[in-house]
Parts: sequence; structure tokens; C-alpha cells
Amino acid sequence: DAGITQSPRHKVTETGTPVTLRCHQTENHRYMYWYRQDPGHGLRLIHYSYGVKDTDKGEVSDGYSVSRSKTEDFLLTLESATSSQTSVYFCAISREPNQPQHFGDGTRLSIL
Amino acid sequence: QQQVKQSPQSLIVQKGGISIINCAYENTAFDYFPWYQQFPGKGPALLIAIRPDVSEKKEGRFTISFNKSAKQFSLHIMDSQPGDSATYFCAASKDNFNKFYFGSGTKLNVKP
Repeated sequence: DAGITQSPRHKVTETGTPVTLRCHQTENHRYMYWYRQDPGHGLRLIHYSYGVKDTDKGEVSDGYSVSRSKTEDFLLTLESATSSQTSVYFCAISREPNQPQHFGDGTRLSIL
Repeated sequence: QQQVKQSPQSLIVQKGGISIINCAYENTAFDYFPWYQQFPGKGPALLIAIRPDVSEKKEGRFTISFNKSAKQFSLHIMDSQPGDSATYFCAASKDNFNKFYFGSGTKLNVKP
């Protein structure tokens, strides 16, 4: 398995609180991605990074921000969590664009 | 607008039967089409992928069929086994492009 660790694996929090999810990789891959997975929608890209401090928006980026201060870590932040952000969040990595992506095991986030 | 449409949403197949999952895409610039397999509590894992210069790719019991003119591709699982029971996602991307678009997923249940 690709060396991808997501933390925490589960989190329950309240509406309006800030939340940060962490993705850590040991593969030294340049590209990192954050997706959310919801029933009937498959996986939707939130943000991605193509290098340290280089990030860009995906198709569902509203309400989310990201940061990548070093190659191995990619953080996803919900500044003020809303119930619509209850989801399972997956981090993925790839060596190059348009190449296979390898996924972590996800973080289940519940916002009450 | 959903870039990749996947069907069926769920599928029940008897052990030893053939499982067929279909995907259709809109953007003719897509040139990489992977399939992912996901077990409960785990992240998606790359199963098999194809590029549009071939019409079929086979790896063991898994085959991708690709129809460029119809903008469709499908996954065939021959001699389906209970261990194949999982959710399958198709995806599409284009060269030098960081974004993958995923289908909505098919939950496959192979009956013993």
C-alpha cells in the first residue's frame, strides 16, 4: 500500500467550529489531492497541490482551504464547518498528473 | 454538469457470472480512464486503466472495453467471486491536467 496516512480517521464536531484534516505521505509524490465522497456523487475534488505552497481549486472548493508547507503534508481546513460538509474525506497522491492516484483510507467527518 | 456518468448504481451477480459496469463521458479531450475498487472503510484502489489508443485491456478476470466514437467505456468482471463485492468507480482525466472526474459508483454484490 502507498504510504498515505490520514488523521483523524473519525471526527464529530459542531456547526461553526474550525476543523483541520491532515494527509501525510511517505512516497515523496509531488501531487496531492483532497476529495469528498458522498452517496450518489462518487468522489469530488476539493483542492489539489502540485508542489510545496502550490495549490489550486477543484470542483467543490467553497468553504474549504488547504495548505502544503512541506512535500509530505497536505492539510484541509474547514474554517467554519456546516452540516453540508458532513462527508467522508479522502486524500490521494500521484507522482505526475494524469497518472494513477493512490488513496488514503479516509476521514469520516460528522458535523452536528 | 456531471463529466462522467456511471451505471448501474447497484448490481447483483451470481458467483461465476459476468459483472458489467458502464461509464459514459462528454469531454473528448479525456485520454486516461481508470477504474477503482473500494471496500468498506477503505480508500479506492486502482484496479485497471486504459488509454484511448486501444479498444480493450485485460488483466486477469478484469477487462476494460473502450468505444471512443460512442464516448463510452465499461468494466467486465469475468467469473465474478464473492470477494469482488465492492463499490467500483470509473474516472476520466486528460493529459497534463491535474483533475480526475469520477463516476458516481456501482455497488457490486456477488452472491455465493
